[in-house]
Amino acid sequence: DAKTTQPNSMESNEEEPVHLPCNHSTISGTDYIHWYRQLPSQGPEYVIHGLTSNVNNRMASLAIAEDRKSSTLILHRATLRDAAVYYCILRDTGNQFYFGTGTSLTVIP
Amino acid sequence: NAGVMQNPRHLVRRRGQEARLRCSPMKGHSHVYWYRQLPEEGLKFMVYLQKENIIDESGMPKERFSAEFPKEGPSILRIQQVVRGDSAAYFCASSPSVVASQTDTQYFGPGTRLTVL
Repeated sequence: DAKTTQPNSMESNEEEPVHLPCNHSTISGTDYIHWYRQLPSQGPEYVIHGLTSNVNNRMASLAIAEDRKSSTLILHRATLRDAAVYYCILRDTGNQFYFGTGTSLTVIP
Repeated sequence: NAGVMQNPRHLVRRRGQEARLRCSPMKGHSHVYWYRQLPEEGLKFMVYLQKENIIDESGMPKERFSAEFPKEGPSILRIQQVVRGDSAAYFCASSPSVVASQTDTQYFGPGTRLTVL
């Protein structure tokens, strides 16, 4: 019942930018796009969220397509500590976060 | 400011025993969510509670599983008569808002890893 599609895995070189894509073609007008990440053996950690406009915070940037059917999480300079599984999640008016299988990011030193 | 706390971190039970998982939300948070993560899978929503109320239990298995969030004390996820298929990581999250909204950030605990022998 996940509403998002992400690549299973990606690799990035350390200190280079990383673009993590997410497709959500069935998104409704009221769904917020949230990104969380899960480091090994830890609980998920909030990264960023947005509705229509691009968003920036200290961790990352979120670029949302004009039709909102896709979005991209941007890590500006990947570090080894960014190696994690990244989840793109749609939050509707209900109470649930729908976690898919996420993208496993490997950062190469 | 302590984060979400879960205990125990690891729990081993034999088939047929009961498992009790505890979650203390962040201070001031009134919403608690429980998720289950099977190996190599994403998290699956189980239940959403506020103090003394179950708001949404649509993800809970119909039998053997129950959850509570009493007025005082931690939230408890209880699994009766555990089976091997219950082996998973169980995560609790809390959020601060008086009324849950789509912009709420959920703060996750470190999880309890349940192993059923």
